[in-house]
Amino acid sequence: EVHLLESGGGLGQPGGSLRLSCVASGFTFRTYAMNWVRQAPGKGLEWVSAITGSGSTTYYADSVRGRFTISRDNSKNTVYLQMNGLRVADTAVYYCAKFGGVDVWGQGTTVTVSS
Amino acid sequence: QSALTQPASVSGSPGQSITISCTGTSSDVGTYNYVSWYQQHPGKAPKLLIYDVSNRPSGVSDHFSGSKSGNTASLTISGLQAEDEADYYCSSYTTSSTWVFGGGTKLTVL
Repeated sequence: EVHLLESGGGLGQPGGSLRLSCVASGFTFRTYAMNWVRQAPGKGLEWVSAITGSGSTTYYADSVRGRFTISRDNSKNTVYLQMNGLRVADTAVYYCAKFGGVDVWGQGTTVTVSS
Repeated sequence: QSALTQPASVSGSPGQSITISCTGTSSDVGTYNYVSWYQQHPGKAPKLLIYDVSNRPSGVSDHFSGSKSGNTASLTISGLQAEDEADYYCSSYTTSSTWVFGGGTKLTVL
């Protein structure tokens, strides 16, 4: 069964950092691009970042470019989101997702940015 | 990276059919057949209903259907049921190799 499990969420301070992780199982991880999507409280879904299967190319939403870094370790079937320069507006549930064909989403991890 | 345009809300009575539109541009919906639709109940992760414009994953009811014409994709729910009341989102791949979502539509079953 295909499965994604996020972790690393929690309380972060404005200007601080958090690192999210997403462990994949049930598919050939290295052959798929992976994405992070977030949903602020009471708001819609926002695509945040993507990384190709090899990890050689990354993509970012304008709202996080220069502050967030996506990476992956194919030996551990894990994708990461390093979040620096946190802002209150980054408060959201962060989902890890595999898009293309039948999508797979994790259950999400909650990030709260507050002083 | 502008969001796809969806109506904020739609409503219908049980047994009726409703359609939710998702309007993009030639940089996303108009170019690719990589349009997906999701259903989200409060506090839950999004559930995939439709992928690649009109394909249903295994286990998704056939009273959900998708289509596309030009820059606009549509989700039709036929034979509305109380449990269909939820938020619905569309998404599309873009010419920038990114993904974009619609703003979401709240479906109310009267």
